[in-house]
Amino acid sequence: DIQLTQSPSFLSASVGDRVTITCRASQGISNYLAWYQQKPGKAPQLLIYAASTLQSGVPSRFSGSGSGTEFTLTISSLQPEDFATFYCQQLNSYPYTFGQGTKLEIK
Amino acid sequence: QLQLQESGPGLVKPSETLSLTCTVSGGSISSTSYYCGWIRQPPGKGLEWIGSIYYSGSTYYNPSLKSRVTISVDTSKNQFSLKLSSVTAADTAVYYCARQHRQLGHDYWGQGTLVTVSS
Repeated sequence: DIQLTQSPSFLSASVGDRVTITCRASQGISNYLAWYQQKPGKAPQLLIYAASTLQSGVPSRFSGSGSGTEFTLTISSLQPEDFATFYCQQLNSYPYTFGQGTKLEIK
Repeated sequence: QLQLQESGPGLVKPSETLSLTCTVSGGSISSTSYYCGWIRQPPGKGLEWIGSIYYSGSTYYNPSLKSRVTISVDTSKNQFSLKLSSVTAADTAVYYCARQHRQLGHDYWGQGTLVTVSS
């Protein structure tokens, strides 16, 4: 199985900050990487697919980059509604594994 | 607007079989571009991909669960189902059904249903 390691696991930031979350794959996955945001008690929401393509309806302050084994999710200016847990997922090969999650909290 | 809704028992006894159904409305699951998937999340923990099915019936399972999992599809009812046999407390989780857009990700999700394994 392909392992995904997210860093950091916890992140404390303020409204207006720029934050970056990294996802590293244990082997190359081309650009078959998706990012999700999950708020407490809710289903995950797809933010980014194919490593860098913004899902329809997702604010442009979210962006993704990377290819191969290293990927990043950036939020350019944090808004109050952005505080949540973020997960990456690889869809290069079965089983489609997820990272362990990054919890973004308000400082 | 596509909607997915999980249904099934919220409590299952150890060693029994967990059975859930996902009903899709607002669109057809018989699409060449999409798969139907199941993902679970134990309380307070991360996401685990269980498996997915194509409308033709082709299935893909997580090897960690493969011997216990069966996913099936009923295109006439626009539903797909999950069966997980020989459950233990470790299978207690919120179970989500989701539409998987090929290798691009899960773009529509059900609200999730908590299944507790307990006697």
